[in-house]
Amino acid sequence: GAVVSQHPSWVICKSGTSVKIECRSLDFQATTMFWYRQFPKQSLMLMATSNEGSKATYEQGVEKDKFLINHASLTLSTLTVTSAHPEDSSFYICSAIPGQGNTGELFFGEGSRLTVL
Amino acid sequence: QKEVEQNSGPLSVPEGAIASLNCTYSDRGSQSFFWYRQYSGKSPELIMFIYSNGDKEDGRFTAQLNKASQYVSLLIRDSQPSDSATYLCAVTATGNQFYFGTGTSLTVIP
Repeated sequence: GAVVSQHPSWVICKSGTSVKIECRSLDFQATTMFWYRQFPKQSLMLMATSNEGSKATYEQGVEKDKFLINHASLTLSTLTVTSAHPEDSSFYICSAIPGQGNTGELFFGEGSRLTVL
Repeated sequence: QKEVEQNSGPLSVPEGAIASLNCTYSDRGSQSFFWYRQYSGKSPELIMFIYSNGDKEDGRFTAQLNKASQYVSLLIRDSQPSDSATYLCAVTATGNQFYFGTGTSLTVIP
């Protein structure tokens, strides 16, 4: 299957700092990537759809100025949590759908667990 | 967001039994249906996908889809302790935006 890699896996930061999470498609090109957030014992909530070379599409209720998404190349999307606060602590997961020869499934990165102190 | 409903459980079954997981969805335009397994602290991994009404079998797993009833299920035969995880149902209408249920926590008791 296709490989999606996320970095870092774990990050702890102080309140008010910004944190960048990278998502890479290792063996395919991804014009579209998706960013999800998952709180403990809850399901994945789609935050935004990241489009290569254009602005991300944010889901209702997600602050675009707080969660900055950049998709500068066909293999890399980044999510920056700006001025993070404890309520932003969560498990952030990126995903992508490979193009050709694929069943249409989402492939997920390993996830990034953010803890804001 | 579109609604995808799952019984959160926890569901407990003895080893070797059949585990039955259910999912309903609200968007009649949904075309593709996926079951993912998620271990604690890990990201989801695909178990099965189904596009057409009826049953689809893959090893110990069987997915069942009924679009008229807007219902999709996953059966796990000969359940093993390693099957203990949270199972997420996901649906998509466009192939782009996926909507996930809250997940069902399954525990297989040795």
